Amino acid sequence: GQNIDQPTEMTATEGAIVQINCTYQTSGFNGLFWYQQHAGEAPTFLSYNVLDGLEEKGRFSSFLSRSKGYSYLLLKELQMKDSASYLCAVTGFQKLVFGTGTRLLVSP
Amino acid sequence: GAGVSQSPSNKVTEKGKDVELRCDPISGHTALYWYRQSLGQGLEFLIYFQGNSAPDKSGLPSDRFSAERTGGSVSTLTIQRTQQEDSAVYLCASSLSSGNNPEQYFGPGTRLTVT
Repeated sequence: GQNIDQPTEMTATEGAIVQINCTYQTSGFNGLFWYQQHAGEAPTFLSYNVLDGLEEKGRFSSFLSRSKGYSYLLLKELQMKDSASYLCAVTGFQKLVFGTGTRLLVSP
Repeated sequence: GAGVSQSPSNKVTEKGKDVELRCDPISGHTALYWYRQSLGQGLEFLIYFQGNSAPDKSGLPSDRFSAERTGGSVSTLTIQRTQQEDSAVYLCASSLSSGNNPEQYFGPGTRLTVT
């Protein structure tokens, strides 16, 4: 079976750092995606982790531990425009399974 | 280059009617996916096409839903005898052949409202 868990909602202030966690249990695993989705818009790609460890890309970093079935997305120097839903998705057997997403609210 | 396009952007239909939703993937992308997203919910996988292989239909919620992909490019998702619970945003995505980095590029979606 497939099970992906993320917190439903998080809040943070502008300029802060926030970590969004994702745990998964899937029958097959090739890699883990993070997507950003602003309200009313399609998801856009943020990162893709295949191997364990941290991958940094500007203000965003993504971490993966395959043995623990765990990932996190780290957002630094938060900006108001970072208010969005963040979707964790696992790819296995050529199918992408999404979590329900974490809604991040950034306040001034 | 052009991204994934979908039409129509919005569709309002009466319960019991059939609807067709269209997706034009990025040129050269062999994989095509359909998802459904209800208000405030995550993405629900519906169907996956990869090249000339038989599609993975495991996510289709009922036999009222069907999809085809002609010539390995454009895809049409058909919902017959629509029900109010079919109201959602239907998203299409495409990717290069699923390999080491099967990043999916999403279209803007079709918002379906069944009255």
